[in-house]
Amino acid sequence: TQLLEQSPQFLSIQEGENLTVYCNSSSVFSSLQWYRQEPGEGPVLLVTVVTGGEVKKLKRLTFQFGDARKDSSLHITAAQPGDTGLYLCAGETDSWGKFQFGAGTQVVVTP
Amino acid sequence: EAQVTQNPRYLITVTGKKLTVTCSQNMNHEYMSWYRQDPGLGLRQIYYSMNVEVTDKGDVPEGYKVSRKEKRNFPLILESPSPNQTSLYFCASSSRDRMTSAKNIQYFGAGTRLSVL
Repeated sequence: TQLLEQSPQFLSIQEGENLTVYCNSSSVFSSLQWYRQEPGEGPVLLVTVVTGGEVKKLKRLTFQFGDARKDSSLHITAAQPGDTGLYLCAGETDSWGKFQFGAGTQVVVTP
Repeated sequence: EAQVTQNPRYLITVTGKKLTVTCSQNMNHEYMSWYRQDPGLGLRQIYYSMNVEVTDKGDVPEGYKVSRKEKRNFPLILESPSPNQTSLYFCASSSRDRMTSAKNIQYFGAGTRLSVL
């Protein structure tokens, strides 16, 4: 059972377009992380959000944690081919150190 | 350079032949964890360790063992591998981020692709 549902599973867009990836759960998480994974490599942490309603920006990437700490979104503005990758969300449960990952969203940005 | 190192990167074995995948980190992190990644399922946590001699089960611990005798090493042991353990395995380590109150910044190894025939 996937506690964290990511949508969409796959996203293909043109360079310059915007995109949003969603991560939803019925569970409350103490923190939520977003990762990007390239083929043949391990996931790389992009951001951690810990407070309900929190918004964090990382250049063209905007991350939001839901007020109830059950959901999150990742928005990319003016996507570039370098944004191509598998985006994963991960929620940390109340048991510190125990993580639930979403299945991932494959993003492809074409020039 | 901060690193999480897994070995081997690729392994093909046969059912029932015991194997160990090693994981080492050079960042003096207290926390280490093992995950498996399968298509359509994302990463699933196998075991994690809060510190030396402290380990806990993740979501899919069946068929796996771990040990944490030293801070830097966290080997994953498959006593009797089966074909359903064919997967991509990742080790991760982390320490608390006190500056931003973010609780956990995980650094991942490059992965071990295991095939059990």
